[in-house]
Amino acid sequence: EDQVTQSPEALRLQEGESSSLNCSYTVSGLRGLFWYRQDPGKGPEFLFTLYSAGEEKEKERLKATLTKKESFLHITAPKPEDSATYLCAVQALSGGYNKLIFGAGTRLAVHP
Amino acid sequence: NAGVMQNPRHLVRRRGQEARLRCSPMKGHSHVYWYRQLPEEGLKFMVYLQKENIIDESGMPKERFSAEFPKEGPSILRIQQVVRGDSAAYFCASSPTGGPGSYEQYFGPGTRLTVT
Repeated sequence: EDQVTQSPEALRLQEGESSSLNCSYTVSGLRGLFWYRQDPGKGPEFLFTLYSAGEEKEKERLKATLTKKESFLHITAPKPEDSATYLCAVQALSGGYNKLIFGAGTRLAVHP
Repeated sequence: NAGVMQNPRHLVRRRGQEARLRCSPMKGHSHVYWYRQLPEEGLKFMVYLQKENIIDESGMPKERFSAEFPKEGPSILRIQQVVRGDSAAYFCASSPTGGPGSYEQYFGPGTRLTVT
């Protein structure tokens, strides 16, 4: 069964304290891995897509990397406005359809 | 704003009533997906539609739930005879047809359904 596990569940950082969020996945064949940001009461906001092991994408203080079994979202020198829930999702090749399988998310709180 | 639009944003229904949730995809997108987020749980896929076709409904409950995406107008998620367990946030997402980024899904703000 296709599955996505995110860790930690919650993370508290001081402003400027860099860290990484983990997303491990089990999927029969990976079409793509996606990172989203979700603020309270809002819909997920698309951040990155990664398609193959070794791929990296960057956006401002965020950098996403991908291996054959997991992905990391690195946050460099975070600011309070980076506080949100970060969601990881995969699309599997099996079934031929486009549904996203989400992890439970990591709740990030960045304190000044 | 050419983003995914959902309405209503908040919907309150009594047990046994019907709920209709609407979704207009981003301009140029012809694929629509519905997801449900229960309190303290992750997003779960419900259904994937293209115009006038249901492509994958493997995540839809067998009873009371239906979805459509007509040739004209928004996609509709319909819940008949709502129960308290249907209280959740329902999100719609859309993606373009083919080409670069065609697998990326862009989400709307969601409809928060409360069943009293």
